[in-house]
Amino acid sequence: DTGVSQDPRHKITKRGQNVTFRCDPISEHNRLYWYRQTLGQGPEFLTYFQNEAQLEKSRLLSDRFSAERPKGSFSTLEIQRTEQGDSAMYLCASTPGETEKLFFGSGTQLSVL
Amino acid sequence: GDSVTQMEGPVTLSEEAFLTINCTYTATGYPSLFWYVQYPGEGLQLLLKATKADDKGSNKGFEATYRKETTSFHLEKGSVQVSDSAVYFCALGSGGSYIPTFGRGTSLIVHP
Repeated sequence: DTGVSQDPRHKITKRGQNVTFRCDPISEHNRLYWYRQTLGQGPEFLTYFQNEAQLEKSRLLSDRFSAERPKGSFSTLEIQRTEQGDSAMYLCASTPGETEKLFFGSGTQLSVL
Repeated sequence: GDSVTQMEGPVTLSEEAFLTINCTYTATGYPSLFWYVQYPGEGLQLLLKATKADDKGSNKGFEATYRKETTSFHLEKGSVQVSDSAVYFCALGSGGSYIPTFGRGTSLIVHP
């Protein structure tokens, strides 16, 4: 049973650099979510896809953030011109449809120096 | 907007003790309510849920009852084990968009 996988597990970058994260959802899950979690806080919604369509974006998703899911399978989240405030755990989750039972990956921990 | 408030942790208990983790919510309408659990090094996973008032969700010995009158969904377990050590997140469903809103999480540490 392959769950949601995220790559890389950890990323350290310097302020101003661009970073890209990848998420592979559970096979045949048509919904894919991105959340961000900072220390001591719960996951905060960023955006979600239904197949390849990005249906909703949070106000947290500034212009420096872009997410894609070109073929309705894996997704990428890119952060341009990273800032120290972007340091967080970025979580990906997927579901087979209209349900709030999300299956989460282990996350990508981003540290911006 | 919708929000969830959880008690601050960590909660530290001895094995076989009774557990309560408090959760209250603010929402328009009648959301579904959830508890997710995150074990060390793993992703969040759904522990239990309740979809309407007075429903009781249960799983792995954990229970929570949807209380509309007190807008609460407290998590309980009669006898915790060391293996229950994890972070527990209360969450509410947002109706038609199926985008859960999470609380800040409560860390549980169970000692032998």
